[in-house]
Amino acid sequence: DIVLTQSPGTLSLSPGERATLSCRASQSVSNNYLAWFRQKPGQPPRLLIYDASIRAYGIPDRFSGSGSGTDFTLTISRLEAEDFAVYYCQQYGSTGAFGGGTKVEIK
Amino acid sequence: EIEMVQSGAEVKWPGESLRISCKGSGYSFPTYWINWVRQVPGKGLEWMGKIDPSDSHTIYSPSFQGHVTISADKSMSTVYLHWSSLQASDTAIYYCARQYGSGIHTPMPDWGQGTLVSVSS
Repeated sequence: DIVLTQSPGTLSLSPGERATLSCRASQSVSNNYLAWFRQKPGQPPRLLIYDASIRAYGIPDRFSGSGSGTDFTLTISRLEAEDFAVYYCQQYGSTGAFGGGTKVEIK
Repeated sequence: EIEMVQSGAEVKWPGESLRISCKGSGYSFPTYWINWVRQVPGKGLEWMGKIDPSDSHTIYSPSFQGHVTISADKSMSTVYLHWSSLQASDTAIYYCARQYGSGIHTPMPDWGQGTLVSVSS
């Protein structure tokens, strides 16, 4: 089964700064079937990006996804208050494994 | 509006059986796969498995195969997650999530509110 490794574990940044989150797969993700989610405390995850680079409905353009094969990146161009949360990548090309998560915290 | 509404919180003893539910509305229920995801409090997301409600074809994560059963009732637009014998390590929040688009390999934009299952002696 594909294992997803996210880095860093925690990212300490200030509002307005740029965030770059990494997700590395143990083998190539089929058809780049890779999604990114944001989860705030007490809430279910929210889909941000799918197929590695397509923004989900209603997601602002400060979120962008890139990458292919085994290396993927989520970039948040300018952090807003609601973006301080935990982010997960997930591959859905075979089963549906999630990465371990990256916490974006206020510096 | 698409909604995934899950059953309420449960408190159980080890060894007991349990079935929790997830009801979909606002779309053609048989058309889209539904997944179950576990989250131990304070920890990350774990994909458990998914079901095609049209024919109840299921796919499980190797980590959960044999420990839980996923089923569906098309007439009730509901999917279920069942344990025959709970363990303390099953204490977690369980989410259902509907896939977008037909086909087996599609993302999950629509999530239920979560069901907290507490197992303790």
